[in-house]
Amino acid sequence: QVQLVQSGAEVKKPGASVKVSCKASGYTFTGYYMHWVRQAPGQGLEWMGWINPNSGGTNYAQKFQGRVTMTRDTSISTAYMELSRLRSDDTAVYYCARDSASIAVAEFNWFDPWGQGTLVTVSS
Amino acid sequence: QPVLTQPTSLSASPGASARLTCTLRSGINLGSYRIFWYQQKPESPPRYLLSYYSDSSKHQGSGVPSRFSGSKDASSNAGILVISGLQSEDEADYYCMIWHSSASVVFGGGTKLTVL
Repeated sequence: QVQLVQSGAEVKKPGASVKVSCKASGYTFTGYYMHWVRQAPGQGLEWMGWINPNSGGTNYAQKFQGRVTMTRDTSISTAYMELSRLRSDDTAVYYCARDSASIAVAEFNWFDPWGQGTLVTVSS
Repeated sequence: QPVLTQPTSLSASPGASARLTCTLRSGINLGSYRIFWYQQKPESPPRYLLSYYSDSSKHQGSGVPSRFSGSKDASSNAGILVISGLQSEDEADYYCMIWHSSASVVFGGGTKLTVL
């Protein structure tokens, strides 16, 4: 079955960077966009951007431009999201989520499935 | 003003229907957008429920009961999620989403649905 498995929880100090991984299985990794979404404690969902695992192309939400980098390793079907210059308000659960539309159809659609989430805590 | 506005909370009784709204900011044409809906329960990732563009262009998520349905209200510029025959298991947070400018995604702030 299609599945996304994320790396474990992280604790970081302000100013540091964090890199979260998302390993895909059950489908052709390079065939679907991968999105990253975060959720601060008790708050709503916030989209961070997407990566095209085939080309490596990315599109980041304006809020995160300059601080986020999304990459992938096609040999192990894994996407990565790195966030730098961490602040306390970056404390959140970070999710990867696959777009349901194939890259070949050149459109975006709903997100399914989602990874289980990775809690990143930023604290001094 | 946010792009998408959802009521913070909504309460309804078991067996009743709940109508959740997702209002697009003034100046954003509802008719041009497909509205996506997600359900999130505590300590779990969101689950895709359905999407609605028009009566002839809608999609139900895999395994999502037909008592979840989507629509639009042009008069209020809002996407609508209706849950009929409410069950205790429907108690959750519900988020709407659209694809907006520059191939970017916007989520609504979410509605906490209480079934009591």
